[in-house]
Amino acid sequence: SQQGEEDPQALSIQEGENATMNCSYKTSINNLQWYRQNSGRGLVHLILIRSNEREKHSGRLRVTLDTSKKSSSLLITASRAADTASYFCATDRGDNYGQNFVFGPGTRLSVLP
Amino acid sequence: DTEVTQTPKHLVMGMTNKKSLKCEQHMGHRAMYWYKQKAKKPPELMFVYSYEKLSINESVPSRFSPECPNSSLLNLHLHALQPEDSALYLCASSQEEDLVAKNIQYFGAGTRLSVL
Repeated sequence: SQQGEEDPQALSIQEGENATMNCSYKTSINNLQWYRQNSGRGLVHLILIRSNEREKHSGRLRVTLDTSKKSSSLLITASRAADTASYFCATDRGDNYGQNFVFGPGTRLSVLP
Repeated sequence: DTEVTQTPKHLVMGMTNKKSLKCEQHMGHRAMYWYKQKAKKPPELMFVYSYEKLSINESVPSRFSPECPNSSLLNLHLHALQPEDSALYLCASSQEEDLVAKNIQYFGAGTRLSVL
């Protein structure tokens, strides 16, 4: 079964609003990441949060991690039309190998001008 | 240079054809990956190469054959594919130095494959 699960599956907001996406996972992890994918393109790494971190910021992105609930959230503040994309969380398998990680089903974000 | 280059961008092939997908990176990364992504689904890991050796094969059918000729190049040889193999094939690379660096993957734009 999938390690990461996102919700909502699709989100539509107006430019300037904040967008929040959530990710849940099932087993212990070392790290959790968020990636963005523009339509039909490759994925772009956004941010990585380690299992011993609770919150991390990068520009307009804020990620939180709650290992007790096995969940993470990605907040995009002051959204722009260019933020329209699919967003995936990715979790490793909690081992020392580090390369074999699983993507959640993704949230399709539409930011309307 | 933080680019992973995949060729071709699009490929249409018949079920009896043999074709290859190519992936190249010049970031000095020693891990390279193939993923398969169906429409509106997340990428699914197929293969991982670490230091030019196959380290993970996620039970992929033998009609997909990966090859890593050197640390910069990764190929995926395709033979006797089925229509359900039509998908976006993504290549990625990462460092190998530590656990965090391994997790951060750099993706190519993908090859969109259609099997007729």
